[in-house]
Amino acid sequence: GENVEQHPSTLSVQEGDSAVIKCTYSDSASNYFPWYKQELGKRPQLIIDIRSNVGEKKDQRIAVTLNKTAKHFSLHITETQPEDSAVYFCAARGLSSASKIIFGSGTRLSIRP
Amino acid sequence: GAVVSQHPSRVICKSGTSVKIECRSLDFQATTMFWYRQFPKQSLMLMATSNEGSKATYEQGVEKDKFLINHASLTLSTLTVTSAHPEDSSFYICSASSTSGPPYNEQFFGPGTRLTVL
Repeated sequence: GENVEQHPSTLSVQEGDSAVIKCTYSDSASNYFPWYKQELGKRPQLIIDIRSNVGEKKDQRIAVTLNKTAKHFSLHITETQPEDSAVYFCAARGLSSASKIIFGSGTRLSIRP
Repeated sequence: GAVVSQHPSRVICKSGTSVKIECRSLDFQATTMFWYRQFPKQSLMLMATSNEGSKATYEQGVEKDKFLINHASLTLSTLTVTSAHPEDSSFYICSASSTSGPPYNEQFFGPGTRLTVL
């Protein structure tokens, strides 16, 4: 069945350093890969997404890469700041917004001052 | 932007009672709504997908007679947890999307409902 694996489960980095979270997916039909940031007790917030016809996308300090052949995608956060501390989820979905989202298991990111 | 609300935000109930959670799309017509459950320190697990006017499609392992989903209009879906038990205590989150009009391509999440069953 559909599955999204995410690593690491916890990540602690020094403020100002970079953080990388990696995911793999199993469903070849997945064409849309969103990343969410979730703070305790809050809803997931979409921070960046990438579609299967693109290999890389960047938005300020956040970038995502996609290797569709290997079914790998990654989130890169540069110049980390204390407010980046949260749980991050990768996800995979078909192109239609009516397709169900399959979430990864999450990465708890802590930024050390 | 697209806004999805949920009500109530928190609910505490006694074991054996039923609880209804509402999910509303405030500024768009949601042709599809999704219900997720999230246990502490875990990921969001999809429970069911509902299309307006149709029966919900439940994920494997989710009891449809226990988690009743109604999507009777393009702006409202409800999840009723029947005969709730302590193991049903969780954070329930809905999301909504539209394929028939804006905003296309994205699913928008509600703020979640914290259910505690005593």
